[in-house]
Amino acid sequence: QVQLQESGPGLVKPSQTLSLTCTVSGGSISSGSYYWSWIRQPAGKGLEWIGRIYTSGSTNYNPSLKSRVTISVDTSKNQFSLKLSSVTAADTAVYYCARDALYWGQGTLVTVSS
Amino acid sequence: QAGLTQPPSVSKGLRQTATLTCTGNSNNVGNQGAAWLQQHQGHPPKLLSYRNNNRPSGISERLSASRSGNTASLTITGLQPEDEADYYCSAWDSSLSARVFGGGTKLTVL
Repeated sequence: QVQLQESGPGLVKPSQTLSLTCTVSGGSISSGSYYWSWIRQPAGKGLEWIGRIYTSGSTNYNPSLKSRVTISVDTSKNQFSLKLSSVTAADTAVYYCARDALYWGQGTLVTVSS
Repeated sequence: QAGLTQPPSVSKGLRQTATLTCTGNSNNVGNQGAAWLQQHQGHPPKLLSYRNNNRPSGISERLSASRSGNTASLTITGLQPEDEADYYCSAWDSSLSARVFGGGTKLTVL
């Protein structure tokens, strides 16, 4: 059974870079043909897709976030990561990592505040 | 980013049937169909169906999905208290090269 777990700072200052890691267990991140995604959800609001990375390494990003987002994979650690630059309070949300929308992490709350 | 349109709320009685809708356009729902996810408060979303009516293992047969043109639907029969949750549709948008979500529908089981 594939399991995903998000990790990273719960508090980020405005204008800084938010960095999160998703650790995958129960399967190799480099095997198969899967999309590894990041999705976020502000408190009381809906889901927002941030972007994804394919097993091959190709990426797609939400056009509204594209200039600030980087998603990468570290196969040696069986992890993939999210970097979101120049954050503001509007980036405060629960951040989820997922594989093909079938397997999800529990989510991690990131608050942007000074 | 253009999203998918879902009614904010639907209320139905116990053991009744609820049909949730999701409207997009020819670049997303009308092209590759929609996925449906269920989310209970405080929990991550759970995939219910993908590409219209493919159900992951373990998903109840009371749930069925369909599509007509640019509108996808999720039908839940024999409503149970545990069906009360938020439901999201999602589709790949070929013009944006991005995944889009609906705003979600809160299903209340009376």
